[in-house]
Amino acid sequence: QKEVEQDPGPLSVPEGAIVSLNCTYSNSAFQYFMWYRQYSRKGPELLMYTYSSGNKEDGRFTAQVDKSSKYISLFIRDSQPSDSATYLCAMSEGLSGGSYIPTFGRGTSLIVHP
Amino acid sequence: NAGVTQTPKFQVLKTGQSMTLQCAQDMNHEYMSWYRQDPGMGLRLIHYSVGAGITDQGEVPNGYNVSRSTTEDFPLRLLSAAPSQTSVYFCASSKTENTEAFFGQGTRLTVV
Repeated sequence: QKEVEQDPGPLSVPEGAIVSLNCTYSNSAFQYFMWYRQYSRKGPELLMYTYSSGNKEDGRFTAQVDKSSKYISLFIRDSQPSDSATYLCAMSEGLSGGSYIPTFGRGTSLIVHP
Repeated sequence: NAGVTQTPKFQVLKTGQSMTLQCAQDMNHEYMSWYRQDPGMGLRLIHYSVGAGITDQGEVPNGYNVSRSTTEDFPLRLLSAAPSQTSVYFCASSKTENTEAFFGQGTRLTVV
């Protein structure tokens, strides 16, 4: 079993829908949690970065971390066709675990249709 | 702003050939890394460097070599290409290990 599990999808939603993307993990030492967005044939770009548990909001995007359940989520409100991409979660232990090297999920393909 | 530049964008190799994938960044970042991305596998770390002259192995280092003689450049060498190395390769850089990673556009490599 991989340390980070992420459903590859594809997830297809109509424009304007609320999208929920999720990852589960097994390593309780993970403290830093990230979401990357990757458009087709492009490199990933950082979307959200959170430390420990809680919520973080940035425009239409909200990242949520539940360390007790080892579960992280990314919510996209009022989804747009331009949000169509692959979303990768990533997490790392940080200084306390001796390494910031992130472990990536497989990525979820999101399609927002007009 | 150039950011992270990878060359070539596409490459086809025959089994047993060697080649170097180039990666350069102009942001004066200390930390650089190489990943491969395969369908259904996510990003897997091959090698990384925390500064010039310092490199270390990641999750899947076999068949690859790296060196870091300057802050800007971090080339990845395939010693003897195998079909299992067919993949998309991404180079990334960040100011430190714990800051935002900037990725290049990727190199699509096919080994026949």
